[in-house]
Amino acid sequence: NAGVMQNPRHLVRRRGQEARLRCSPMKGHSHVYWYRQLPEEGLKFMVYLQKENIIDESGMPKERFSAEFPKEGPSILRIQQVVRGDSAAYFCASSPPRTTGELFFGEGSRLTVL
Amino acid sequence: AQTVTQSQPEMSVQEAETVTLSCTYDTSESNYYLFWYKQPPSRQMILVIRQEAYKQQNATENRFSVNFQKAAKSFSLKISDSQLGDTAMYFCAFTNFGNEKLTFGTGTRLTIIP
Repeated sequence: NAGVMQNPRHLVRRRGQEARLRCSPMKGHSHVYWYRQLPEEGLKFMVYLQKENIIDESGMPKERFSAEFPKEGPSILRIQQVVRGDSAAYFCASSPPRTTGELFFGEGSRLTVL
Repeated sequence: AQTVTQSQPEMSVQEAETVTLSCTYDTSESNYYLFWYKQPPSRQMILVIRQEAYKQQNATENRFSVNFQKAAKSFSLKISDSQLGDTAMYFCAFTNFGNEKLTFGTGTRLTIIP
C-alpha cells in the first residue's frame, strides 16, 4: 500500500511564475491536508480538502494560493506569481474517512523561488 | 485557538542515555489527540507516538513513552536508550477529537552524540 505521494520533490521557480504541487493520498483516504514549513519552523496548516470540496482553508493566504482535490486525480496546491517568501517545504497529508486523529504525511515538496 | 509550545529549541545527549522533550498546549476542549512527530534530515514527518486525551494511561511505543498530565496541559516525550538514529527534529502536535487539523509546536532539535 503506497504512502502519500508528492511531486515534484524539488521545484525551482523565478519570481512571478506559477508553482503547482501535487499530492496523491494513500489508497482509501479521502481527506487531504496541506501544510507549509518555513525554514527552522514547525508545520503550519494551510487547507483541508475532501473530494471536490474545500472543508477548511483558514490557513491559506487569501491571494495567489489555491487548492483543489478533484473527483479523479491528485490534489493540487497552486501558487500563482510566486515571491521569495513562498520558498518553503510543502507537505501533504491524508487520512481515512473515519477519523483516528492521525495524519499520514508525504515526503514534502521543496519550493525555491529565485 | 489551540496553541502548542515547545520550550527547548535544541537538546543533545549521549548515546544510550535517556532524554525528555517537553511540550505544553492550551485548549478549552476536553477530547483531543496529542502526537509527537519526528522529522529526520530526510524531512519526512514520522509519527512517533500518539495519546488520546480521554485515556489516563500514558502511551508507550518501545523506547518512546509520554508523560501526559491533562490538568497541567503537559505532554512530554521520553526517549530511553537513545540511538544515533533518533537524531532529528521532534514536533509536538495537537488536534481536536474528530478533526485531523494539526497544530504543531516549533520543534526541538535533538542530537544524539556517539
